[in-house]
Amino acid sequence: QQQVKQSPQSLIVQKGGIPIINCAYENTAFDYFPWYQQFPGKGPALLIAIRPDVSEKKEGRFTISFNKSAKQFSLHIMDSQPGDSATYFCAASIYGNTGKLIFGQGTTLQVKP
Amino acid sequence: GAVVSQHPSWVICKSGTSVKIECRSLDFQATTMFWYRQFPKQSLMLMATSNEGSKATYEQGVEKDKFLINHASLTLSTLTVTSAHPEDSSFYICSAKGQIRYGYTFGSGTRLTVV
Repeated sequence: QQQVKQSPQSLIVQKGGIPIINCAYENTAFDYFPWYQQFPGKGPALLIAIRPDVSEKKEGRFTISFNKSAKQFSLHIMDSQPGDSATYFCAASIYGNTGKLIFGQGTTLQVKP
Repeated sequence: GAVVSQHPSWVICKSGTSVKIECRSLDFQATTMFWYRQFPKQSLMLMATSNEGSKATYEQGVEKDKFLINHASLTLSTLTVTSAHPEDSSFYICSAKGQIRYGYTFGSGTRLTVV
């Protein structure tokens, strides 16, 4: 019940393409769903996060779509650039409780010039 | 914005010695801090959760006596890897959760190599 399942494991797109990464969860008590970007040898950096009372959130080129009934959420990267090449993690937590962040398995994205 | 400073960035130690990693929240009070371990090309694995002034809560399978966590103040948490062995070599990352609504801030990570 604590798992967050992420797919695909890896993704290759051309510059300007729109990579989509998907995550699914089981625990309906989760109330915070962030996405992180990680470059090699660095800690994860928050990209965007959503709460379950919102179905979509946009910040710059990054969009989260959230489907509460399906217990799924996804990240879309608009107009992807080679600099977006990194590993992306979805996560979920019950923020007001212990607040443990449960991470997905990660997706390695390569954006070709 | 919220900043978490983690030191050192990398450390090499001899087998059998202990290593301390520091995690500081620079501009906010971290009521809860988390320590993660990450192996190459894998996800972050939560090791323990610590609240200021309390004993850390360790995840199943994590050795409490090997990975000592101290959260003595609202801005500092430390992870000490005791009697390190080559299998402890990994990337260790801290994260701080403060009063910021819905936010976790991660440190830049520490690459530990035990030789």
